[in-house]
Amino acid sequence: QVQLVQSGAEVKKPGASVKVSCKASGYTFSAYYIHWVRQAPGQGLEWMGWINPNSGGTNYAEKFQARVTMTRDMSINTIYMELSRLRSDDTGVYFCAREWTIGGFDIWGQGTMVSVSS
Amino acid sequence: DIVMTQTPLSLSVTPGQPASISCKSSQSLLHSDGKTYLFWYLQKAGQSPQLLIYEVSNRFSGVPDRFSGSGSGTDFTLEISRVEAEDVGVYYCMESIHLPLYTFGQGTKLEIK
Repeated sequence: QVQLVQSGAEVKKPGASVKVSCKASGYTFSAYYIHWVRQAPGQGLEWMGWINPNSGGTNYAEKFQARVTMTRDMSINTIYMELSRLRSDDTGVYFCAREWTIGGFDIWGQGTMVSVSS
Repeated sequence: DIVMTQTPLSLSVTPGQPASISCKSSQSLLHSDGKTYLFWYLQKAGQSPQLLIYEVSNRFSGVPDRFSGSGSGTDFTLEISRVEAEDVGVYYCMESIHLPLYTFGQGTKLEIK
């Protein structure tokens, strides 16, 4: 069964970093880009960036460029998204998603809630 | 940067009646490869988004045929021919022509009357 399983909820203080994982199973890990999408409470979807699991190449939305790092561990079919210098407005649910065709995200993780509060 | 504008932001529909959501982009989504990179997603309450329509008008696997997408260039529409209770949620359009960047619309909330 093709799926993406994300790590559990996190609570962080402003200025800290968070690292969310996204474990892929049921398909060839290296064959599909993985994207990250954020959703603030009660708000819409915001694209953050992608990683090519095969090469490790990445591309980030300008808004997150200075603070986000996406990596992968091919030995365990897992993608990571690390966001640094957290602020309260980084609070939200972070989703990973598999890109089946350009722009078509066919498989999504269940989401990881990140709460940033002092 | 591309701006994706959805209208309306919310709509309330009687079951069995049609619904229509518009998505307008600030730039053409027609690529030189001939494809138009406009997608529709539905996010039900408490769930992850799900892909409904890809490249303007292609229903993704398992999507009921009451959902249809149309449009070209900068103007696009998602239509539901007969709304059912399970269609409740927030609908998002998304463009992916200006790679490597992607942009979502602000979302349209569909409720049942």
